[in-house]
Amino acid sequence: DAKTTQPTSMDCAEGRAANLPCNHSTISGNEYVYWYRQIHSQGPQYIIHGLKNNETNEMASLIITEDRKSSTLILPHATLRDTAVYYCIVRGYNTDKLIFGTGTRLQVFP
Amino acid sequence: EPEVTQTPSHQVTQMGQEVILRCVPISNHLYFYWYRQILGQKVEFLVSFYNNEISEKSEIFDDQFSVERPDGSNFTLKIRSTKLEDSAMYFCASSPLDRVGGQYFGAGTRLSVL
Repeated sequence: DAKTTQPTSMDCAEGRAANLPCNHSTISGNEYVYWYRQIHSQGPQYIIHGLKNNETNEMASLIITEDRKSSTLILPHATLRDTAVYYCIVRGYNTDKLIFGTGTRLQVFP
Repeated sequence: EPEVTQTPSHQVTQMGQEVILRCVPISNHLYFYWYRQILGQKVEFLVSFYNNEISEKSEIFDDQFSVERPDGSNFTLKIRSTKLEDSAMYFCASSPLDRVGGQYFGAGTRLSVL
């Protein structure tokens, strides 16, 4: 089963930063944190991943706490097209499968 | 930007029939995956494939399912004798040699079993 806990839903105003939290208190040393999103019924879209350092790419930033028990995905300037379900997934190096939970439904409003 | 391509977008079949879902992964990727999502439910892992063999599979992936990479570009999922409960969106994904990196998903094939 999924090893993460996320809020069921969040709202964000267009143009503001969206901060999506994730709790993964049982994460072990060789497990990475991944973020994906799914817009309506489209295929999941990879956003970013990290092990212990903060990461940034063209889509988002990932902030992982020092004890690695939680993380935050930051969309710096949310747009209406960022409305989606966001999944935080913990995955070990020695397994292929992503275990999707129910995620956070982010609604960006004008 | 390269993307994973899946065909057909919608497949309708009768119960008991065989179906083949097709995927063209991103060209330089070496790991391939199938997931499914029953309407209103979570995305579920089915199988991963690397170096022409299954590297991992879930309990869902029983003897009715098989995967194949028949040539250098296609990756297929076959369901031998479809059941009503196989109705779902099926997503193909691929990832590059660095297994730690992200998996890139296609738009999916909606399978409807009547």
